[in-house]
Order: sequence, then C-alpha cells, then structure tokens
Amino acid sequence: KNQVEQSPQSLIILEGKNCTLQCNYTVSPFSNLRWYKQDTGRGPVSLTIMTFSENTKSNGRYTATLDADTKQSSLHITASQLSDSASYICVVSARRSQGNLIFGKGTKLSVKP
Amino acid sequence: EPEVTQTPSHQVTQMGQEVILRCVPISNHLYFYWYRQILGQKVEFLVSFYNNEISEKSEIFDDQFSVERPDGSNFTLKIRSTKLEDSAMYFCASGGQARMGTDTQYFGPGTRLTVL
Repeated sequence: KNQVEQSPQSLIILEGKNCTLQCNYTVSPFSNLRWYKQDTGRGPVSLTIMTFSENTKSNGRYTATLDADTKQSSLHITASQLSDSASYICVVSARRSQGNLIFGKGTKLSVKP
Repeated sequence: EPEVTQTPSHQVTQMGQEVILRCVPISNHLYFYWYRQILGQKVEFLVSFYNNEISEKSEIFDDQFSVERPDGSNFTLKIRSTKLEDSAMYFCASGGQARMGTDTQYFGPGTRLTVL
C-alpha cells in the first residue's frame, strides 16, 4: 500500500536553531516528492518538488534531500524563525498518477522565542 | 501574486442536504483538484480534473460527489446527500506548469464543511 510516514510527530525548537524533519515512503512507482508547509487552518503551500534524479533542492532556508534508493527524504530548516511554526508535510506522487498526491501526517513544528 | 480562492470559508448543513463548494483556480492553470482533510488527520486526494473531465478519482469520491467547471473560472465540488462523516476541510488546488502529476499544486484556503 502506498504510504508516507513522517517523524517526529512534533518538534519544539528555539528561534535561530536548525532542525531536520524526516520522511519515509513506500509509494511505487515513484514520480516525485514534495514538501509542503501548512499553517493552522490554511491550505498547504509548496516548498520543494524533487524527482527521482534529484537528491537535494533548496528554497531559501529550506533544504530538502531525497534518497530514492532508501526511499527517504529530509527537510532541513536553518536559522529558524517564529513564522516557521507550522506543520510540514511530506507528499509523494506515483508515476502515471493524474495528480493524486499521497500525504504524510506532517510534523508540527513550534519555534519558541 | 495570483492565488486560488474558495467560497464559502465555512458551510454548515444538515445531514442529507446537498452542498456545493466553489473554487476559483489560478487563471492560466489547466489542472484542478479537490482534497479533503478531516480534523486532525492527513490530507486526502479526492479527484483531479483536466480538459473538462475527471482524470483520476479516489475511493472516497463515490457517486455522492461530482465536480464541474461550469464556466471559464469556477470549479465546483458537489456533495449530493451529505453524511456526518463528510465533515472536513475541503481544499481546492490548481496547477498547470507541467504534465499533470509533476506540476506544483497551489492550494486554496479551504472550506470547512460541518454536517449536523
């Protein structure tokens, strides 16, 4: 069954610190992996998309990595800010999918002053 | 910056009633999607739509659900006879930069549906 698992479920860090969120997936055949940021009560916002051949992609202070062999991805956030407090969701798309994105449950990140 | 909009932001309905959720996708996008998120759970795919027809739908998207693009701008999700378990946040998304399945999907703010 196609699944996306994320860890940790929640994380509290101090402002200015770095953190890394993890994602494992069993989606096959794999097409691409996305990281989204979702503020409470809002729609998800895309941070990165990576295909099979890409193993790292950055978007400002966000850097995503992908290991398609081990089916793992990580999202690294540097120099965290209070506005980074949100859920970070790992999302995977299967090949031949017509837009069917498979979502993880997300990691709820809280950045404290 | 263009964005996806959804109306209403909150809809309360009685069980068995029909509801229509409305979305205005980003204007030059070609692919349209509906997702739902039950409170505290993960986002789930419902349906994708391209060239005026459904491209893919999930098991959730049964005969009670339908989608329509009635004009050049709106994209609607209709639930014919709502059930208590339909209570959720419904997100519309649109995309169009690349082949469907590889495009960035831009999500709207959602409509919270409460079925009593």
